[in-house]
Amino acid sequence: EIVLTQSPGTLSLSPGERATLSCRTSQSVSSNYLAWYQQKPGQAPRLLIYGSSNRATGIPDRFSGSGSGTDFTLTISRLEPEDCAVYYCQQYSSSPYSFGQGARLEIK
Amino acid sequence: EVQLVESGGGLVKPGGSLRLSCVGSGFTFNDYNMNWVRQAPGKGLEWVSSISSASSYKYYADSVKGRFTISRDNAKNSLFLQMSSLGAEDSAVYYCAGSAWYFYMGIWGKGTTVTVSS
Repeated sequence: EIVLTQSPGTLSLSPGERATLSCRTSQSVSSNYLAWYQQKPGQAPRLLIYGSSNRATGIPDRFSGSGSGTDFTLTISRLEPEDCAVYYCQQYSSSPYSFGQGARLEIK
Repeated sequence: EVQLVESGGGLVKPGGSLRLSCVGSGFTFNDYNMNWVRQAPGKGLEWVSSISSASSYKYYADSVKGRFTISRDNAKNSLFLQMSSLGAEDSAVYYCAGSAWYFYMGIWGKGTTVTVSS
C-alpha cells in the first residue's frame, strides 16, 4: 500500500503570493499517476491536476503540478481569495488508490 | 450538463446494511471507470472502492473489504455500493466519482450522507 504524506498541514499566505504544496509517497508512483484535488467547505472535491503535471479542463494556469517518483508538488502562483481550500493528492498507480491527509491553504 | 447524483444514504443501526446508488448523465457512462470515496465529518478523503468500465476489475480498501460490494449497470448509467456490517467508522459522506482514464477522478457527485448510530 502506498502512503501519501502532504506538507505543510496548513499554509497561510496573502493574495498574489505563491503557494507550494508537497506530496511524498512511500513508494515510487509509476507513470507519475498522481492527481491533485481542491475541496472547498461544503463542496465535493474538484480535480486540478492528473498525471503529475496535466491540468484538468477549466483549471486556470495559475495551478501547476510537477514531480516524479516519490516527490510531487502543487504550485499555485498569484494566489486569489477563492483559492482558500483543502488540497489533496491521490495516487492511482496501484490499488488502494490512496489520498494524502490534505493540506489547508488559508488566504490572509 | 455532466452530472453524478448519489442517493440511498441515511441513518442505519450498527450491524445494518445500506445500498447506495449513483446515476450519471451528460457523459458516456459506460466509458468511465467509477469510484466511491468517503469523508467522515471533519476528516480527509478516503478511497473506498473502484470498478472498471465493464466491471472486469473491482478494487476495495482494506477497511471495507468483505463488507462492501461495488457494482454497476451501464444500461441504466448507474453505480452501486452495497454496504453491510456497518459500524460507526463507516459514518461519512459518500461521493461517487467518475474516471475517464485509469482512476483519477474528474467527475464528482455532491455526496450522500451515511450515519451509523443506534
